[in-house]
Amino acid sequence: NAGVTQTPKFQVLKTGQSMTLQCAQDMNHEYMSWYRQDPGMGLRLIHYSVGAGITDQGEVPNGYNVSRSTTEDFPLRLLSAAPSQTSVYFCASSSAGGGNTEAFFGQGTRLTVV
Amino acid sequence: ELKVEQNPLFLSMQEEKNYTIYCNYSTTSDRLYWYRQDPGKSLESLFVLLSNGAVKQEGRLMASLDTKARLSTLHITAAVHDLSATYFCAVGPGANSKLTFGKGITLSVRP
Repeated sequence: NAGVTQTPKFQVLKTGQSMTLQCAQDMNHEYMSWYRQDPGMGLRLIHYSVGAGITDQGEVPNGYNVSRSTTEDFPLRLLSAAPSQTSVYFCASSSAGGGNTEAFFGQGTRLTVV
Repeated sequence: ELKVEQNPLFLSMQEEKNYTIYCNYSTTSDRLYWYRQDPGKSLESLFVLLSNGAVKQEGRLMASLDTKARLSTLHITAAVHDLSATYFCAVGPGANSKLTFGKGITLSVRP
């Protein structure tokens, strides 16, 4: 069981370039989210989705787009990369079921914008 | 706006001693999560606390939740080197697709 898979693991972009960070989960989870982690800042929510076709903004959405055409995939697009987007990006998925549900995180994508 | 505060942000621990770290949050929330992160790695779920008075234990770690005080504590019993990591608490409004994280507490266990 692969869980949450993120690709690539590392990426260097030049300012102004665009790219897509991929996230796929094989647990049939309804919820998926993108976070960025910066030193001393914890994790901050970028965008999230509660199901296919439904997305919404989190705390720091500017400069990022998302879409959710399938339950399994939730790509994050950087339209015009900026140095301020240098960060580690984590994708997470979780079940919508009540009770003891936790979010499962991918291995992260370390992005550097030069 | 939901805020989550953890303190201290760094804690140097001595082996075999007991410690407690804290997580405060600003508004009522349905559940609280504790995660562990090793350097350069992803986040590993430790505990999910769902109700006032909830207590969960795993090995040398015990987490509790006081929803009235909006406070969770993580108690470490007889610290060992393997517990060296960064510990995050996170709070969600019921839908755990929207977690608000604290800044994390980095624990370092020395002999």
